[in-house]
Amino acid sequence: AQKVTQAQTEISVVEKEDVTLDCVYETRDTTYYLFWYKQPPSGELVFLIRRNSFDEQNEISGRYSWNFQKSTSSFNFTITASQVVDSAVYFCALSEARNQGGKLIFGQGTELSVKP
Amino acid sequence: GAVVSQHPSWVICKSGTSVKIECRSLDFQATTMFWYRQFPKQSLMLMATSNEGSKATYEQGVEKDKFLINHASLTLSTLTVTSAHPEDSSFYICSAGSLMAAGANVLTFGAGSRLTVL
Repeated sequence: AQKVTQAQTEISVVEKEDVTLDCVYETRDTTYYLFWYKQPPSGELVFLIRRNSFDEQNEISGRYSWNFQKSTSSFNFTITASQVVDSAVYFCALSEARNQGGKLIFGQGTELSVKP
Repeated sequence: GAVVSQHPSWVICKSGTSVKIECRSLDFQATTMFWYRQFPKQSLMLMATSNEGSKATYEQGVEKDKFLINHASLTLSTLTVTSAHPEDSSFYICSAGSLMAAGANVLTFGAGSRLTVL
């Protein structure tokens, strides 16, 4: 069975601090997709990244970076020099290959609060 | 990029009435759409997979007679909450996939519909 665990329910940081959001997943498939989404108070899901299981390269996009490690089944997300606008709930999600990237299994979400 | 429109964005209704939520893919065709439900401070839970031209596939524990899904065209799926009760109050989000050349779906989510049943 597939499962996504985000152990951190809430994180609070002060602006400009770096923060890492943890994500651990379980799946029996060898081919799968991992995602991160941001959900601001408005509720809309904002896509951040999609990574397939064969691509373990870490990725950096501006202040965002992702560390994918298959050996530990983790796909952690780091925000460097956090800003107040980063405050939101962040979801990690998994989709198995047979669903062709659809049908997402979401983690519980991590609520990030960045204080000025 | 792909856009999914969801309507209404919020709705308040009386207990016992039915509410219809629409999910439209605006600039692409979606043979499959997904409906999720999110209770306050909780994660998104997949309710059902909507397949164009055929019956929806419901997740375990989701009442198909309660949550009617119709996917009549390649750009429209509807979710009808029948005889709504206060416990149905939730945030409902749809997503639609456009198939990339690599064979993987890129999912686009609608903005969500907040249902409050009085």
